[in-house]
Amino acid sequence: EPEVTQTPSHQVTQMGQEVILRCVPISNHLYFYWYRQILGQKVEFLVSFYNNEISEKSEIFDDQFSVERPDGSNFTLKIRSTKLEDSAMYFCASKSAGTPYNEQFFGPGTRLTVL
Amino acid sequence: DQQVKQNSPSLSVQEGRISILNCDYTNSMFDYFLWYKKYPAEGPTFLISISSIKDKNEDGRFTVFLNKSAKHLSLHIVPSQPGDSAVYFCAASASLTGGGNKLTFGTGTQLKVEL
Repeated sequence: EPEVTQTPSHQVTQMGQEVILRCVPISNHLYFYWYRQILGQKVEFLVSFYNNEISEKSEIFDDQFSVERPDGSNFTLKIRSTKLEDSAMYFCASKSAGTPYNEQFFGPGTRLTVL
Repeated sequence: DQQVKQNSPSLSVQEGRISILNCDYTNSMFDYFLWYKKYPAEGPTFLISISSIKDKNEDGRFTVFLNKSAKHLSLHIVPSQPGDSAVYFCAASASLTGGGNKLTFGTGTQLKVEL
């Protein structure tokens, strides 16, 4: 069964450093998302991406964040200068065009730890 | 921002009995509702969804009920199995607001199915 994959599973970085989180969505999906979950809190939407552009972003997704689909398979989230409060699980999700009820399929997540 | 609420942080049920997980929402624009299951260190796994034009959707042991007037939905699992022990998230989206159909999540309910 096709699945969303994410790398790395765990990333440790120093405050102020740049990180890139990588995702390979399900191959025939056209809509891509990033969500995050800070420990003990709910899953929060960050950004959605369709047709090579951002379709919606949350207040969390400020100028420090960017997304890119550099080729036909990868979808990346970049944080330019990490802060302590960026420590969280980051989930990538994807969705096909024919999804009737907005079912989004999630990857296993990348745990980002900012020291 | 508490647009989707799951007021029970935990639920314990005996194997073979029914598990009922509840979710309330406040945004009248939500028209798709989804349930996800999440194990520790994994991403959310899609379980079942429902459109606002329906009041019930069933898939095997899982049934989701929607009461639009009360802005309430519930997930019934019957019979409950030990493998169902996980955190269950309710999520909602509003298709008519445009953008990328982001999911808004509740805080989750930890279900424990005991032998």
